[in-house]
Amino acid sequence: GENVEQHPSTLSVQEGDSAVIKCTYSDSASNYFPWYKQELGKRPQLIIDIRSNVGEKKDQRIAVTLNKTAKHFSLHITETQPEDSAVYFCAASQGDGTGFQKLVFGTGTRLLVSP
Amino acid sequence: AAGVIQSPRHLIKEKRETATLKCYPIPRHDTVYWYQQGPGQDPQFLISFYEKMQSDKGSIPDRFSAQQFSDYHSELNMSSLELGDSALYFCASSSMTGVTGGYTFGSGTRLTVV
Repeated sequence: GENVEQHPSTLSVQEGDSAVIKCTYSDSASNYFPWYKQELGKRPQLIIDIRSNVGEKKDQRIAVTLNKTAKHFSLHITETQPEDSAVYFCAASQGDGTGFQKLVFGTGTRLLVSP
Repeated sequence: AAGVIQSPRHLIKEKRETATLKCYPIPRHDTVYWYQQGPGQDPQFLISFYEKMQSDKGSIPDRFSAQQFSDYHSELNMSSLELGDSALYFCASSSMTGVTGGYTFGSGTRLTVV
């Protein structure tokens, strides 16, 4: 089955710096890659996603890149702000032949942005 | 390492029946989350529990109820099942104190209502 690895597990940056979180997946059949942000005490929220027919997608300060050949995708946050501090999860989605799209999640990256 | 355990893996029920799904979090995780994922859809958050108390509520139908027990495992009870309840139900766990970190999903229970 699919296996998603996420690095780093923790990331500390200064306000204004960029942050990059990387994930790799194992199953070349995966075709949907969402990123989630979880703030303390709250459930993860989808912040951006990318499909396998696209190499890069950007939404304001957040961008995601996908390299299908290398089977890895990355989240880029520019001009980080203290409110970006949270746990970020990547995921990969694959069909199992029965119509369900099962998300396999990475283990999360705890991002801390210091003022 | 121990992961989030969900049982059963597959479940087939008839309309109007009741189903109970179980979730066993990673040891020392104190928060459990339930999600419902329909075919071709993103997981939809249902409900979460922290230290046996409901901590957040999403789009959980009134026919569903859940609780977290003293050993931190959680059960999702679904009554008067409808065909539309057929989905993959994920449970996730995490630690609010960040002792072990991470937010880990189980493999899911596939519920089919016929």
